[in-house]
Amino acid sequence: DGGITQSPKYLFRKEGQNVTLSCEQNLNHDAMYWYRQDPGQGLRLIYYSQIVNDFQKGDIAEGYSVSREKKESFPLTVTSAQKNPTAFYLCASSISGTGLADTQYFGPGTRLTVL
Amino acid sequence: AQSVTQLGSHVSVSEGALVLLRCNYSSSVPPYLFWYVQYPNQGLQLLLKYTTGATLVKGINGFEAEFKKSETSFHLTKPSAHMSDAAEYFCAAQGGAGNMLTFGGGTRLMVKP
Repeated sequence: DGGITQSPKYLFRKEGQNVTLSCEQNLNHDAMYWYRQDPGQGLRLIYYSQIVNDFQKGDIAEGYSVSREKKESFPLTVTSAQKNPTAFYLCASSISGTGLADTQYFGPGTRLTVL
Repeated sequence: AQSVTQLGSHVSVSEGALVLLRCNYSSSVPPYLFWYVQYPNQGLQLLLKYTTGATLVKGINGFEAEFKKSETSFHLTKPSAHMSDAAEYFCAAQGGAGNMLTFGGGTRLMVKP
């Protein structure tokens, strides 16, 4: 079955640690996205990538980093510079990053908690 | 810049009653509009989307939404609520630079037996 997988489902981080969230898709989509979800605030875009080896900052990129070395993979690193990282993180993909009205398909999410 | 407003962070209806979830967008250019549903601790699933053409859009699970340009609205409705409809619903708009999605704050729908 085609889809998007995220791992781990739950992640606990100590203060000052970097952690990496995995996102893999087998939909052959060019574009991938990372969102952060906080209660009552909807989803906010962290980073997006329209093509391999290229990515752009979204609205809340500070304290996060990404890479896009393979079409199917778009890992997100939450660095120690992110002061309030506890949130639900969602990865999504779409056929292209420039196609009008392209649907974004979402993974199941990773819940990150800072201890 | 786009903005999307969902009126009512929580909506409660009885099973069998009409569901109405409100969404208004702010844009100088009519955007493409989406409704997504999220069940607890899961990702988002597309319910329906408006691109061009017919302003009444039918989606999955009996939901539909009507694009009203004059009111800059895209409200989601379902004639008869079912217990399984209890979830959080997000309205989103796509348009402008980069064609990114802008999400509303979400509405949690509760269905009472």
